Amino acid sequence: GDSVTQMEGPVTLSEEAFLTINCTYTATGYPSLFWYVQYPGEGLQLLLKATKADDKGSNKGFEATYRKETTSFHLEKGSVQVSDSAVYFCALSDRGAAGNKLTFGGGTRVLVKP
Amino acid sequence: GAVVSQHPSRVICKSGTSVKIECRSLDFQATTMFWYRQFPKQSLMLMATSNEGSKATYEQGVEKDKFLINHASLTLSTLTVTSAHPEDSSFYICSARETSGSGYEQFFGPGTRLTVL
Repeated sequence: GDSVTQMEGPVTLSEEAFLTINCTYTATGYPSLFWYVQYPGEGLQLLLKATKADDKGSNKGFEATYRKETTSFHLEKGSVQVSDSAVYFCALSDRGAAGNKLTFGGGTRVLVKP
Repeated sequence: GAVVSQHPSRVICKSGTSVKIECRSLDFQATTMFWYRQFPKQSLMLMATSNEGSKATYEQGVEKDKFLINHASLTLSTLTVTSAHPEDSSFYICSARETSGSGYEQFFGPGTRLTVL
């Protein structure tokens, strides 16, 4: 079945540091890939997405490239801010799966210190 | 656009009572809504897929008689936790998928924190 594996946290960084969160996936079909962010006490917000190989999703300084050859969708940001402290979830939606269900990774908690 | 609301945001109830959580798509129609459960510091676990006008599809291990789902309209799905017990305390999150468009993106509600005493 489909699965998503992402690096475990917590990841602690200083402000303006470079952030990378690794994400790899397995899927039977041709998935769309997503990064969601969850701020404390809130639901999930879509951060960025990519729907086909080599697509690059970007938003709020975050980027991720859909790499089919390595089945990866690593999240990067060049200079983090304290406000980026949150839990980040990598997810896939397999178009062949009934209902286009999302499969989530375990989440990575990021803490940015001033 | 694409806003999903949940009500209530927090609820505390006594053991043995039932609690209803509403999920609404505010500015779009959602044929399909999803209900997730999230334990502290853990990922989201899909509980069920709710389709408007038909029975929900539950994931393996989720008791359909305990977690009643009704998707009566294209903008509203409800989750009722029946005879709640302390182990049902959790963060419940819904999401909705737009009926039109490419259809692969889900929009999430802000979540409902349920505490059962």
